[in-house]
Amino acid sequence: GNSVTQMEGPVTLSEEAFLTINCTYTATGYPSLFWYVQYPGEGLQLLLKATKADDKGSNKGFEATYRKETTSFHLEKGSVQVSDSAVYFCALSDKPTGGSYIPTFGRGTSLIVHP
Amino acid sequence: NAGVTQTPKFRVLKTGQSMTLLCAQDMNHEYMYWYRQDPGMGLRLIHYSVGEGTTAKGEVPDGYNVSRLKKQNFLLGLESAAPSQTSVYFCASNWRTAGLAGSTDTQYFGPGTRLTVL
Repeated sequence: GNSVTQMEGPVTLSEEAFLTINCTYTATGYPSLFWYVQYPGEGLQLLLKATKADDKGSNKGFEATYRKETTSFHLEKGSVQVSDSAVYFCALSDKPTGGSYIPTFGRGTSLIVHP
Repeated sequence: NAGVTQTPKFRVLKTGQSMTLLCAQDMNHEYMYWYRQDPGMGLRLIHYSVGEGTTAKGEVPDGYNVSRLKKQNFLLGLESAAPSQTSVYFCASNWRTAGLAGSTDTQYFGPGTRLTVL
């Protein structure tokens, strides 16, 4: 079956530090890959996505590259802000044979950014 | 557009009581999902629906029932609540893009319902 593994948190950084959150996946087909962000007290919202190998998704200074050879989709940001403090979820969506697009989520990584 | 809305936002139940959580979306999405989120467990899929009148079990369906009588609504029922069902429940929806490799089926989430079962 499909699975997503992401680094455990919390990740604690100072403002303007470089961020990497690792995500690797296993999938039976050719999935689309996503990063979602959850701010305190809210639902998840899409941060960025990529649909094929070597695609780079980017948004709000975050970026991630779909690496098929290493089955990875690591999230990076060059300079984090306090407002980036949230929980980040890596996810994939893959259509099984004759089935539906059911997403698979990682367990989430909490990011805490201090001033 | 309101997007995905959930009712209620908070609820406290006693063991054995029943309740229904309502999810509504105004984006004409075919797919709808119910998840629960627990500390350290991430999101777990309870049930989902691929269209009006259809439902299917997810990863953790026991103790829950669902119905999708109208395309825009997806109801989650707890017939006899248990403390293990204390959780935050999220509804989500997305387009169906069947037939495309690498579907861009972004999920749209509601704000969540925080349920406590005593």
